[in-house]
Amino acid sequence: DTEVTQTPKHLVMGMTNKKSLKCEQHMGHRAMYWYKQKAKKPPELMFVYSYEKLSINESVPSRFSPECPNSSLLNLHLHALQPEDSALYLCASSQEAGRWIYGYTFGSGTRLTVV
Amino acid sequence: GQQVMQIPQYQHVQEGEDFTTYCNSSTTLSNIQWYKQRPGGHPVFLIQLVKSGEVKKQKRLTFQFGEAKKNSSLHITATQTTDVGTYFCANAGGTSYGKLTFGQGTILTVHP
Repeated sequence: DTEVTQTPKHLVMGMTNKKSLKCEQHMGHRAMYWYKQKAKKPPELMFVYSYEKLSINESVPSRFSPECPNSSLLNLHLHALQPEDSALYLCASSQEAGRWIYGYTFGSGTRLTVV
Repeated sequence: GQQVMQIPQYQHVQEGEDFTTYCNSSTTLSNIQWYKQRPGGHPVFLIQLVKSGEVKKQKRLTFQFGEAKKNSSLHITATQTTDVGTYFCANAGGTSYGKLTFGQGTILTVHP
């Protein structure tokens, strides 16, 4: 299995809702990432997990809460989002944080709309 | 990763023409990765360059890393409509955390 699977593919949520994005990989990668991408812009790093521990938080607002239950799963919990948080949320993985000879493998993303 | 500047932002070509996108950094880079993102898709890893002056080819795609390791280019020969998408260069940081920082990307349109 050489894929990163993200669910759901599309999500519409109100500003008072709580929702979660899920990401799964079975490549044995020990680093997993959340990126946010706006239209016609590059992906921007949000969080890095290395060996299931949060190693980087790029000053992301607390309404975004990441979780790594095990080495294959990564969640992003969303609460009280703003319309400007609407974007494509990409999960990615790599062999290890700091080892990227085979690049990063990205999931197909969750397209989030906050209304 | 370190900041990389990428040009041009947009490129429109006729099918069969060549295409090149460039990435530049003010500091020496330990590596450059290239990704392609199709419209409505997600970034897909193409290649990584780590050595000074390195040149790698994948069919019609040629990737170069500058001698000073401050610039890189992606050249596509005889573009096809399947080449449409956004091409990103990216730098994976020199720390143990593997932070990947993307250039602004070049959006390629190929007219048949």
